[in-house]
Amino acid sequence: LAKTTQPISMDSYEGQEVNITCSHNNIATNDYITWYQQFPSQGPRFIIQGYKTKVTNEVASLFIPADRKSSTLSLPRVSLSDTAVYYCLVGGGHQAGTALIFGKGTTLSVSS
Amino acid sequence: DADVTQTPRNRITKTGKRIMLECSQTKGHDRMYWYRQDPGLGLRLIYYSFDVKDINKGEISDGYSVSRQAQAKFSLSLESAIPNQTALYFCATSDRLTNQPQHFGDGTRLSIL
Repeated sequence: LAKTTQPISMDSYEGQEVNITCSHNNIATNDYITWYQQFPSQGPRFIIQGYKTKVTNEVASLFIPADRKSSTLSLPRVSLSDTAVYYCLVGGGHQAGTALIFGKGTTLSVSS
Repeated sequence: DADVTQTPRNRITKTGKRIMLECSQTKGHDRMYWYRQDPGLGLRLIYYSFDVKDINKGEISDGYSVSRQAQAKFSLSLESAIPNQTALYFCATSDRLTNQPQHFGDGTRLSIL
């Protein structure tokens, strides 16, 4: 199972772009990278998933370098409501026989 | 209506009691998961099921058991609850294209006295 390492916490101001990097040195060939957001007293919410290069959706972008040993979640122009814990998760696709383990996440605090 | 529903949302019980947490989903997903969350420890996988006939232990399965009664239902049981099982429990689902959980319930807050 791929182990992930993220910063414990990050601070930002409204309107700034926030980049959260996750290290996953032992990522396997068929592993995908997924990011989640969690607010207090709620279940995690899927944000974005990627395998290589760059993926973008309506809320975030995910940058994955060629060696795939790290990934960066980019949140454009954050607002106070983006204050949450963000988890990086690495694991196999449908071919894998094992499910995944979350790391401790990154607590993002956005101030005005 | 929520796609992943957990019941109860809150439960307080005593040491030694048997407890069942239930999860149902309307996503039509094959894969279901149970996680436990403790402050400062993130989410830890208890059990997971890739289809009705498939049950697998996660990293912290001791003291827990599960039942996959149907594609849409996945129950977690604590056979004899102990105080260190006090935690927030989440159920999640995913489709068969991934083994990464995609949809989470809102959690069950369990307190064992």
